[in-house]
Amino acid sequence: GAGVSQSPSNKVTEKGKDVELRCDPISGHTALYWYRQSLGQGLEFLIYFQGNSAPDKSGLPSDRFSAERTGGSVSTLTIQRTQQEDSAVYLCASSLDRVSYEQYFGPGTRLTVT
Amino acid sequence: AQSVAQPEDQVNVAEGNPLTVKCTYSVSGNPYLFWYVQYPNRGLQFLLKYITGDNLVKGSYGFEAEFNKSQTSFHLKKPSALVSDSALYFCAVRDAGYGQNFVFGPGTRLSVLP
Repeated sequence: GAGVSQSPSNKVTEKGKDVELRCDPISGHTALYWYRQSLGQGLEFLIYFQGNSAPDKSGLPSDRFSAERTGGSVSTLTIQRTQQEDSAVYLCASSLDRVSYEQYFGPGTRLTVT
Repeated sequence: AQSVAQPEDQVNVAEGNPLTVKCTYSVSGNPYLFWYVQYPNRGLQFLLKYITGDNLVKGSYGFEAEFNKSQTSFHLKKPSALVSDSALYFCAVRDAGYGQNFVFGPGTRLSVLP
C-alpha cells in the first residue's frame, strides 16, 4: 500500500515568507507526528496528533510554527515569517494507533530559507 | 525527562564481521525502545522495538537488539555485517507512562567496509 507522502519535496523560500508543508499519512493511521532534522543531526519532535484529541504541541520551537490536521488525515505544518535557522528537513510520520508504536516516515521536505 | 545517548558518531566495521551500535537511555518509568535506519536519500525505516517480554528483540534485515535494564542500554547488533548495512542509525525512547513524545538519539553513522 501507499506510504506516508510529503509535499513539496524541496522548498526554497526567502527569509520572512510563510511556508506550508503537507503530509498525507497512511490510510487508517490515527497518529501523526512532525519532526525536524537539521543537517547531520538527530530528529527534533515538533507536534503530535492522535485522532480527534488535542495535539501535543510541546515541541514547537516558537509561535511562528503551527500545524493542523483536517478530518483526522492530512496535516499541514505552517511556518510564518521564516528565518534562516528554520532550514532543515521536515519529516512526517504516522502510526496505526496509540498501541502499535512503530512510526512510518515520509521522505521529508527539505526547506531552505535564503 | 527522557533522553537517549548514542556515544559513537561513527562506527566502522569490515564486511562479514559482527557489528554493534550502542544506545543508552534515561526515562522516569518503563522504557519503550526503538531502532530506526536512514539510508542515503531515503526516509527513516523502522528496524525493531522493545516494549515488553524477552530482552533480546529480533528485527528486520537480520538485526537484533538487547534490552539491559540494569545498564539502561539497548544496543543494536548484527552477527555479520553487509556493505548494504551502511547507513545512519537512530535509537529512540518513549516513557511508557508519559505519552507519545518520542525522543530520538543523535544518530550513529555505520560504515561497512568491503
